[in-house]
Amino acid sequence: KNQVEQSPQSLIILEGKNCTLQCNYTVSPFSNLRWYKQDTGRGPVSLTIMTFSENTKSNGRYTATLDADTKQSSLHITASQLSDSASYICVVAVDAGGTSYGKLTFGQGTILTVHP
Amino acid sequence: NAGVTQTPKFQVLKTGQSMTLQCAQDMNHNSMYWYRQDPGMGLRLIYYSASEGTTDKGEVPNGYNVSRLNKREFSLRLESAAPSQTSVYFCASREGFSGAPLHFGNGTRLTVT
Repeated sequence: KNQVEQSPQSLIILEGKNCTLQCNYTVSPFSNLRWYKQDTGRGPVSLTIMTFSENTKSNGRYTATLDADTKQSSLHITASQLSDSASYICVVAVDAGGTSYGKLTFGQGTILTVHP
Repeated sequence: NAGVTQTPKFQVLKTGQSMTLQCAQDMNHNSMYWYRQDPGMGLRLIYYSASEGTTDKGEVPNGYNVSRLNKREFSLRLESAAPSQTSVYFCASREGFSGAPLHFGNGTRLTVT
């Protein structure tokens, strides 16, 4: 069964500190892994996508890593800001074999709270 | 650029009542999706439409119906609401390939009493 597990469930940090969120998956065949940010009361917004050949990708203060061998990804946030308070969701796509729809498996999310 | 627009934002229903959640996107995307989000669980796919004129069941379709009215609009109908359908519902759209990101609306918070 395809599964995506995220840890921790929730995290509280002080503004300016760094943090790392984890995502472990058992999805096969793997196509890609995407991180989304979901602000309270809003829909998720894509932060970055990782494909099989990519190990690290940065988007501003967000850096995602992927280890396809151990089926783990992490999202590192540098110099956190109050606006980083949100839920971060890991989503893994199954290889669709050339069709347009690849099944997506969602993690339950990590709730990050940044305090001043 | 509005993106994905959902209406209504909030709704309270009594058990057995019916309602339709509306969704429209202005990005000319082929694929559209309906998800529900419950506390402590990942988003779960209810129905999707890979292109205009087609719809398919997702993981949790029971109790729901959908209509892909045209390329822009994809509606979700609850014929006889149940308390188990209390949830936040998200509509999303994306380009017609699996590597594309989903673009979500801001959700409809539905309570069934």
